[in-house]
Amino acid sequence: AQSVTQLGSHVSVSEGALVLLRCNYSSSVPPYLFWYVQYPNQGLQLLLKYTSAATLVKGINGFEAEFKKSETSFHLTKPSAHMSDAAEYFCAVSVNNQGGKLIFGQGTELSVKP
Amino acid sequence: DTAVSQTPKYLVTQMGNDKSIKCEQNLGHDTMYWYKQDSKKFLKIMFSYNNKELIINETVPNRFSPKSPDKAHLNLHINSLELGDSAVYFCASSQGGGDRGGYNSPLHFGNGTRLTVT
Repeated sequence: AQSVTQLGSHVSVSEGALVLLRCNYSSSVPPYLFWYVQYPNQGLQLLLKYTSAATLVKGINGFEAEFKKSETSFHLTKPSAHMSDAAEYFCAVSVNNQGGKLIFGQGTELSVKP
Repeated sequence: DTAVSQTPKYLVTQMGNDKSIKCEQNLGHDTMYWYKQDSKKFLKIMFSYNNKELIINETVPNRFSPKSPDKAHLNLHINSLELGDSAVYFCASSQGGGDRGGYNSPLHFGNGTRLTVT
């Protein structure tokens, strides 16, 4: 069965600092992986997705993620945090043989200090 | 131009009541979903429809009944509401999603309906 684990339910960084949000997956087949962001009182918005075309995936708002099969990881990074990046971030894996069903990680809340 | 819209945004009701949440998408997608987000922000799929056909039906109490009159609409009706039903319910849509196999088309989410059962 496929699953996703996000390490750290809360991450706090200073404005301008590196953002690193960790995601590890479990899948017996090559996975499709996603990062979504949720701002307060809003729905989820796609940041980026991995579909095996390239291991380094660039997304919106300066975020990127690297797929590492050997480590079963898909960590999200941004070189310089901005106050507007404060939100909840979810890593998700597409479930094989079940269409558009996504399994989400438990989420990581990112706080950005001035 | 709201892509996926849900109504109502907030729903406060008493135990035992029946309520409905409506969802509409104007993206031309053929697959729609209901996800539930609990108080700890954990997201779990409930249902998905592809071209009005039920594709995914997770282990959800049968008090929850989805209905898709056409591929642009997916409603959720809940009977005999319980305290544990309090959550945020998200509607989403995507193109494709009704096929077997791995799937990489992203989901587009509505802004959610916060249901509070007292």
